[in-house]
Amino acid sequence: QVQLVQSGAEAKKPGASVTVSCKATGYVFRSYGISWVRQAPGQGLEWMGWTKSYSGNANYAQRFQGRVTMTTDTSKNTAFMELTSLRSDDTAVYYCARIGDDVWGSHRLDLWGQGTPVTVSA
Amino acid sequence: SYELTQPPSVSVSPGQTASITCSGDKLGDTYASWYQQKPGQAPVLVIYQDRQRPSGISERFSGSTSGNTATLTISGTQPLDEGDYFCQAWDTTSEVRTEVVFGGGTKLTVL
Repeated sequence: QVQLVQSGAEAKKPGASVTVSCKATGYVFRSYGISWVRQAPGQGLEWMGWTKSYSGNANYAQRFQGRVTMTTDTSKNTAFMELTSLRSDDTAVYYCARIGDDVWGSHRLDLWGQGTPVTVSA
Repeated sequence: SYELTQPPSVSVSPGQTASITCSGDKLGDTYASWYQQKPGQAPVLVIYQDRQRPSGISERFSGSTSGNTATLTISGTQPLDEGDYFCQAWDTTSEVRTEVVFGGGTKLTVL
């Protein structure tokens, strides 16, 4: 079955770090990139960055630069997103999503994980 | 920073046509994608590359662009189409980096 399965909910204190994993099944993992998107409670979608699965090269949104690291492990068909120096406004559901094309100007996210809730609270 | 602007809400009667717009200065330079999200669920891609429909998505969903505005049209709207809709595109305003941006979302209500 083609799917992305994410790790479970996390509860962290301010200043801590969190790592969310995203395991791909049913397709050739290294042939597609992975984007990470988050959604704060009651808010819209916010793109965080993306990584090329075969190379591990990553491109981060400027507002997360320096705080986020996205990696992949092709031997485990898994992508990871680490966010450091957590603040209360990092409380959100974090999604991984497969980038379904390699066409300039297009960034279709055609397969999404189920989401990982991350709560940051003292 | 680059923004994609959507109306916060759209209401439509069952069986009618719903149109959701997405405006951005650079939309004419890149492709728009559209996602449907229902409460407690992950988003689902419904339109990509402005007007392409993924397999499994109803033919009632269509996309178009004109200038710097992309439009998602849902014909014969059904109660199951209720949810939040987000447009998405590349932000090409910077010469040194390219980012992905989402619109603020539109809540579709089928009355």
